[in-house]
Amino acid sequence: DQQVKQNSPSLSVQEGRISILNCDYTNSMFDYFLWYKKYPAEGPTFLISISSIKDKNEDGRFTVFLNKSAKHLSLHIVPSQPGDSAVYFCAAYGQGTYKYIFGTGTRLKVLA
Amino acid sequence: GAGVSQSPRYKVTKRGQDVTLRCDPISSHATLYWYQQALGQGPEFLTYFNYEAQPDKSGLPSDRFSAERPEGSISTLTIQRTEQRDSAMYRCASSPTGGETQYFGPGTRLLVL
Repeated sequence: DQQVKQNSPSLSVQEGRISILNCDYTNSMFDYFLWYKKYPAEGPTFLISISSIKDKNEDGRFTVFLNKSAKHLSLHIVPSQPGDSAVYFCAAYGQGTYKYIFGTGTRLKVLA
Repeated sequence: GAGVSQSPRYKVTKRGQDVTLRCDPISSHATLYWYQQALGQGPEFLTYFNYEAQPDKSGLPSDRFSAERPEGSISTLTIQRTEQRDSAMYRCASSPTGGETQYFGPGTRLLVL
């Protein structure tokens, strides 16, 4: 049972345009959500997070939106840059446990 | 240390052998996590420690898998009687406390022949 799903395995975007990466979850007990970026041969690195009490969090070019009723979150990157090309994982955990559940990842390619 | 380190980076072993993987977290970090990551998948939770306590080991796939963190710093993950399906990347991460940003190590790639 995949509790966190990233249904798009890959995405290509032109440099300067918006990248939108999507993530769906099934467990209503999740109350904290995170996005990680991973370059080849490296471990994932934290990008941005959002608590379930918010519906938006912004950090520079990166914005995460949370729609609790739809159990959906998205990561927007504006403007996209070639250095953003990586695999992006969303993750979630519920209150009282730090059992992070990760999605399967979306490979973003930003074309120059 | 400057970051999370793991050793070995690569391990090839024969089916039935035991292997032990090591994680050295960021020195001030209380919480340490172990994940298994298959090719093309996201990290899958195995267990985590808060100092030396192990509050959740529900992700360990069988009793062949065990983890320790006896002094609340370095941790080891041991897989007994390895099977080919154990082949994966094993990732360790640490955070200052639970629920804060995790910092991942480079991983140990295990291949069981």
